[in-house]
Amino acid sequence: GIQVEQSPPDLILQEGANSTLRCNFSDSVNNLQWFHQNPWGQLINLFYIPSGTKQNGRLSATTVATERYSLLYISSSQTTDSGVYFCAVPMDSNYQLIWGAGTKLIIKP
Amino acid sequence: DADVTQTPRNRITKTGKRIMLECSQTKGHDRMYWYRQDPGLGLRLIYYSFDVKDINKGEISDGYSVSRQAQAKFSLSLESAIPNQTALYFCATSELGAGEQFFGPGTRLTVL
Repeated sequence: GIQVEQSPPDLILQEGANSTLRCNFSDSVNNLQWFHQNPWGQLINLFYIPSGTKQNGRLSATTVATERYSLLYISSSQTTDSGVYFCAVPMDSNYQLIWGAGTKLIIKP
Repeated sequence: DADVTQTPRNRITKTGKRIMLECSQTKGHDRMYWYRQDPGLGLRLIYYSFDVKDINKGEISDGYSVSRQAQAKFSLSLESAIPNQTALYFCATSELGAGEQFFGPGTRLTVL
């Protein structure tokens, strides 16, 4: 089945720094989602991005479907950005999501 | 009000007990899903339902059962809970034909 790999596994930054998180997937997909899991465990939808680039405030995402990767950019990091960032892709036409292991981001004040 | 709600939010139970986790949604979506998350890992699919009469096993369905009582309600049951079912459980929904899934706040279950 499809494999999803995220990098880096851990990232520690000072407040105000920028970061790039990567998601590689092993097969072609027709959509991809990015999520933020906050320290309380809640999953927050960030982007639904099958291809191209989207922006939402300080966050943006780019998916290059032909090369099987997606990037999540966080600019001017804030302590509230801390948590785990997941990407997920559908396994098949039934849209069952396959998840990466996540990138744990810690933003220090 | 939240679009996808889960009850209870936290539950501690003992080995061998039957427990039910409930999920309700007001998004009007046809598809509903139950996932579990173990510490340090991504989510894994337990069961999914594309409509009231269509229920399917996911990757890790052993030890679980589900009921789709209505379009808006999808329940997950542990018939006889065991300690390795201690996890964070999420319900999700999506539109028929669309891929984006939306998640509830999660239920933290501890089996002693």
